[in-house]
Amino acid sequence: GQQLNQSPQSMFIQEGEDVSMNCTSSSIFNTWLWYKQDPGEGPVLLIALYKAGELTSNGRLTAQFGITRKDSFLNISASIPSDVGIYFCAGCGSQGNLIFGKGTKLSVKP
Amino acid sequence: DTGVSQNPRHKITKRGQNVTFRCDPISEHNRLYWYRQTLGQGPEFLTYFQNEAQLEKSRLLSDRFSAERPKGSFSTLEIQRTEQGDSAMYLCASSLASGGYYNEQFFGPGTRLTVL
Repeated sequence: GQQLNQSPQSMFIQEGEDVSMNCTSSSIFNTWLWYKQDPGEGPVLLIALYKAGELTSNGRLTAQFGITRKDSFLNISASIPSDVGIYFCAGCGSQGNLIFGKGTKLSVKP
Repeated sequence: DTGVSQNPRHKITKRGQNVTFRCDPISEHNRLYWYRQTLGQGPEFLTYFQNEAQLEKSRLLSDRFSAERPKGSFSTLEIQRTEQGDSAMYLCASSLASGGYYNEQFFGPGTRLTVL
């Protein structure tokens, strides 16, 4: 079946740091999405990518869709405390259903 | 209408009992999806509706699970004879399908099920 692999699984950030995470897939997707989930809530869409090679920004977030349509990265610049949460990549399946990775958990450095 | 709502937010039940969850999508959205999320995992697709028609079911949806969307508005997900392995967050999402390949899905807050 289709699988998405996210890395790292978790990371600690200090306010002001830049953060980078990525996602690879065994399958090609026509649409690639990045979501954020806060505790006790559903995922919220951050960025949607539609074209191979596309680079898209949303405020401090930047995401790129790989040329092969099998990978993507998400960068967060100048992180702030509210960036803490779990970030998921997702590919759009043939029925419009989403196939999610296992997530990258962002926490604040103690 | 401020978004997708789900009820109850939490449900604790004993193994073998039946449970039913409700999802109210964004009012003009014609597609409604159900996902299940276990701890440390991303959401996994269960089933979806286009209006009142259930168009796709995942292999994860065993015969103990049934979903309905009788009037093309709200949806219910019932689990019969619950098992401990059913413990998870059940998420609902809705979208307005307009013929394109992808239409943004808006997620509800989920119903957390604990089976004792």
